[in-house]
Amino acid sequence: KQEVTQIPAALSVPEGENLVLNCSFTDSAIYNLQWFRQDPGKGLTSLLLIQSSQREQTSGRLNASLDKSSGRSTLYIAASQPGDSATYLCAVSPHWSGAGSYQLTFGKGTKLSVIP
Amino acid sequence: DTEVTQTPKHLVMGMTNKKSLKCEQHMGHRAMYWYKQKAKKPPELMFVYSYEKLSINESVPSRFSPECPNSSLLNLHLHALQPEDSALYLCASSLGVPGEKLFFGSGTQLSVL
Repeated sequence: KQEVTQIPAALSVPEGENLVLNCSFTDSAIYNLQWFRQDPGKGLTSLLLIQSSQREQTSGRLNASLDKSSGRSTLYIAASQPGDSATYLCAVSPHWSGAGSYQLTFGKGTKLSVIP
Repeated sequence: DTEVTQTPKHLVMGMTNKKSLKCEQHMGHRAMYWYKQKAKKPPELMFVYSYEKLSINESVPSRFSPECPNSSLLNLHLHALQPEDSALYLCASSLGVPGEKLFFGSGTQLSVL
């Protein structure tokens, strides 16, 4: 059974710092990995999706990397801003298995606070 | 339009009530999902509809009844819920093939008294 772990559970940084969020997974047979952002009481917003054949994806100040063989992904946020404060979740999609491939496995998230 | 719209945003119901949650998207997506999320926990998958057919039912109690009237709409009918069913209910959609990017609605915060 796939397990996804995110460390740290919470992180507080001053505005302007670069930071890295970590995600690890136990089964390397994945189809892809997604990073999401969630604001309190709201839905999730997909930030980046990395296919299993890719090493990284970039969007603006965000860069996500994937090392499938070691079961790790990182989300790098450059020049952090107070508006980046949210919970960040990673989720893996299993390797193709029919309808079962709809079942994402989520980590518990990292709660990020960016202090002005 | 890249939005998934959920109504209502908040719902309070008694254990004997019947209510429905609604979800709508106009992105042409053919897979739609219901997730349940308790506070400080990750979302848990409940149901997946793929091309208007129920593909996944994660052993959800029968007091939750999903319905997909067409490719743009997804409902979740609620009946005889328990207080432990209080949670944020999230709808999501994707293009149709498993593993595609998920688009989430803002959720319905449900309280069962």
